[in-house]
Amino acid sequence: QKEVEQDPGPLSVPEGAIVSLNCTYSNSAFQYFMWYRQYSRKGPELLMYTYSSGNKEDGRFTAQVDKSSKYISLFIRDSQPSDSATYLCAMTLSGGYQKVTFGIGTKLQVIP
Amino acid sequence: SAVISQKPSRDICQRGTSLTIQCQVDSQVTMMFWYRQQPGQSLTLIATANQGSEATYESGFVIDKFPISRPNLTFSTLTVSNMSPEDSSIYLCSVLPGGPYNEQFFGPGTRLTVL
Repeated sequence: QKEVEQDPGPLSVPEGAIVSLNCTYSNSAFQYFMWYRQYSRKGPELLMYTYSSGNKEDGRFTAQVDKSSKYISLFIRDSQPSDSATYLCAMTLSGGYQKVTFGIGTKLQVIP
Repeated sequence: SAVISQKPSRDICQRGTSLTIQCQVDSQVTMMFWYRQQPGQSLTLIATANQGSEATYESGFVIDKFPISRPNLTFSTLTVSNMSPEDSSIYLCSVLPGGPYNEQFFGPGTRLTVL
């Protein structure tokens, strides 16, 4: 069983739709949760970073963490064609620098 | 933040040859990382390259196959040796400049195809 499970998609939605991206994980010791966005032929860039269970909002993006269920989500409101990218969930243990474990990434296409 | 460049951006190589990938950062950073990203697989850490010490390799990766140099705080190279088609992948350099979120910054990647 992989430590982090993520549906690779592709996920295709119309412009303006609400997008829900999800990951599950098996290691209950993970404490920090991140979402990276990767455009085609580019490196990943950090989009959201959360520590505790609950929601964190940043503009059109909301990151949700449920540690009891080992489940994290990223919601994108009013999706735009510029949101078309691959979204990677990632997580680490706590305590200084820790190796980052990534999901496989979900490819999202927002159709105008 | 950190701006990272990689050379080459892509290459097509013959089986049995070696390729050295360069990573240049616009600021001094202690921790640099090399990742591999293969189709259908998650981003996988190859090794951590800290200046002044030997690179630390992850399970499944060995120095003879992926030798790394880290001569200073802004530069590193990864060599993919004795290549086979299974080494076809995107290779990414990443740095950890420090900050509240332990954010890693990634280079644009080197797309390698081995024939």
